Amino acid sequence: QKEVEQNSGPLSVPEGAIASLNCTYSDRGSQSFFWYRQYSGKSPELIMFIYSNGDKEDGRFTAQLNKASQYVSLLIRDSQPSDSATYLCAGGAGNTGKLIFGQGTTLQVKP
Amino acid sequence: EAGVTQFPSHSVIEKGQTVTLRCDPISGHDNLYWYRRVMGKEIKFLLHFVKESKQDESGMPNNRFLAERTGGTYSTLKVQPAELEDSGVYFCASSPPGSYTGELFFGEGSRLTVL
Repeated sequence: QKEVEQNSGPLSVPEGAIASLNCTYSDRGSQSFFWYRQYSGKSPELIMFIYSNGDKEDGRFTAQLNKASQYVSLLIRDSQPSDSATYLCAGGAGNTGKLIFGQGTTLQVKP
Repeated sequence: EAGVTQFPSHSVIEKGQTVTLRCDPISGHDNLYWYRRVMGKEIKFLLHFVKESKQDESGMPNNRFLAERTGGTYSTLKVQPAELEDSGVYFCASSPPGSYTGELFFGEGSRLTVL
């Protein structure tokens, strides 16, 4: 079993819709979770992080964490074609930059 | 401010040859990480430097890989001798002093192809 699992997609949504990206993890020692966005051939870029159960909102992005269910999600409201990228979910132990990544979900936002 | 830069962007070598990848972190970032993504797999941690010291090298696959960070600035990752399974994208990431979280700044990666 992979430690962080994501559906590789592609997830296709129309412009203006809500994109929902999901991630599950198996290591209960993971305390913090990160969403990185990666455009093809570019560097992964941190867009959201969450440490506590519940929701965290930043602009059009909302990260959700449920530690009991070992589930992390990223919602992108009002999706734009520029949001088309691969979204990487990663878990960390809390006091280190050693991350465990999922394989990533490819998001396609169609105009 | 310059981001994390990596060189070369792409390297093609024969099995058994040696390759050295270089990473220049963001100026002032004490933490430097190497990760790699093998084809079809997830990005995996290789090691972590704090300044010039190896903090955690638990992800290094075997002794054919040698990472250095002399002087605590740029870092090199040498693969010697390279094997076919070493092909992939090697990412470097950095973070500021005292930051021990997953909030990392990544480079664009060095793609290694071993033939």
